[in-house]
Amino acid sequence: AQKITQTQPGMFVQEKEAVTLDCTYDTSDPSYGLFWYKQPSSGEMIFLIYQGSYDQQNATEGRYSLNFQKARKSANLVISASQLGDSAMYFCAMRDVNDKIIFGKGTRLHILP
Amino acid sequence: DADVTQTPRNRITKTGKRIMLECSQTKGHDRMYWYRQDPGLGLRLIYYSFDVKDINKGEISDGYSVSRQAQAKFSLSLESAIPNQTALYFCATSDPRQGSSQPQHFGDGTRLSIL
Repeated sequence: AQKITQTQPGMFVQEKEAVTLDCTYDTSDPSYGLFWYKQPSSGEMIFLIYQGSYDQQNATEGRYSLNFQKARKSANLVISASQLGDSAMYFCAMRDVNDKIIFGKGTRLHILP
Repeated sequence: DADVTQTPRNRITKTGKRIMLECSQTKGHDRMYWYRQDPGLGLRLIYYSFDVKDINKGEISDGYSVSRQAQAKFSLSLESAIPNQTALYFCATSDPRQGSSQPQHFGDGTRLSIL
């Protein structure tokens, strides 16, 4: 069965430092996609970044990058130069070949001034 | 106007009541999903629908039913609500024609409390 694991329930990071949020996944499908979403305290789900299983390069979107290690089934989100507004819940998600999408349990990130 | 609209945004009700949560979308997407979010458990898939005639159970469908009235509308029902169904519920849509890299689009959520 497919599974997403986020092992860090909560993290505290000093403002302006880089942050790595861990995500590992389990699937037997050769084709899949990995997503990261941000959920601020207001509750909406905000899409951040995507990585396809066949993508050769790690995805980047502004201050967000995805450290994709396919052999280790790892898709960690890296946030560079963290800001107070980055404080939120972060979810890793995986889409399978049938477009079914499952989520991890999330990591709550706190950025300290 | 929001692309994915959930109604109501908040609901408090009593155990045993029948409740319907509604989702409508203007994105023209074929695929729609219902999730519930509980603290510490992330988002869990309840039901998903790939078109009006295609409805599938997710990982936690017990106690829930759905109706896809049209491409744009996907409703979630709790036939006899119980307190452990208290949660934040999200509707989402996706369009496979836009490619696998396209994310789901979420509504703003419905906060449901069952007393």
